Amino acid sequence: GIQVEQSPPDLILQEGANSTLRCNFSDSVNNLQWFHQNPWGQLINLFYIPSGTKQNGRLSATTVATERYSLLYISSSQTTDSGVYFCAVENIDQAGTALIFGKGTTLSVSS
Amino acid sequence: DTAVSQTPKYLVTQMGNDKSIKCEQNLGHDTMYWYKQDSKKFLKIMFSYNNKELIINETVPNRFSPKSPDKAHLNLHINSLELGDSAVYFCASSQVNPANTGELFFGEGSRLTVL
Repeated sequence: GIQVEQSPPDLILQEGANSTLRCNFSDSVNNLQWFHQNPWGQLINLFYIPSGTKQNGRLSATTVATERYSLLYISSSQTTDSGVYFCAVENIDQAGTALIFGKGTTLSVSS
Repeated sequence: DTAVSQTPKYLVTQMGNDKSIKCEQNLGHDTMYWYKQDSKKFLKIMFSYNNKELIINETVPNRFSPKSPDKAHLNLHINSLELGDSAVYFCASSQVNPANTGELFFGEGSRLTVL
C-alpha cells in the first residue's frame, strides 16, 4: 500500500518562529489532507490539498503531486499551534476507500 | 450542532467484556469510517462504509463488528475485550460520491481503557 512519511517527527519552537513540515508519499494520490490534533485530542481538518497551494491565516500548504510531497507552513507560531500535525493521503488507484495517515509531526511551541 | 458525534467519550471496562461505541454524522455524507489511534498516536483505518455498505475491512480481529443502520450512523461493537484494544477510537465521515471533495471530518474520539 501507499507509504506516507512525515518529517521532522518532533519540532520545538519559540513563539513567533516559522516552521515547515513535510509529507512524502510513495504513489500518486487523488486526496491529501493535513490535520491538527490539539493537546485535547481533537482532530481538526486544516487543508484539503491534493495539488496546488492554499492559505488560511498563518497556515499555508503546498502539494507538488508530480514529485509526491506536500509542505505545511506555519508562520509566527503561537502556543495554541502545539499538537500533532498529520498528513493523510488516498491512493489514486484506490479512490473512494480511506485516507492513510503518516505518523505525524509533534510540534511544541513555548512562550 | 456537532457534525460528527460519538458516544461515549470514555469507557473503562474489564477484559472479556463487550462494549459498543456509537457514531452519528449530520453532514449528509455518504461514507463513514472507524479509525484506531494507538498510544504512539498512529491513526489506522479499521472500517469504512459507503451508504451502509462495507467498503474497507482492514486486518481487524473479528471481535470488532461495525454496523451501519443508515448512512448517518456507524456503530462499533467489540466482543471479548483484550488489553491491546485500549486505544482512542475515532469515527469520521466524508462525501465520496458524486462530488468527491473527500474532506474527512472526525468525531471527538472515544477513549477505551481495558483493565
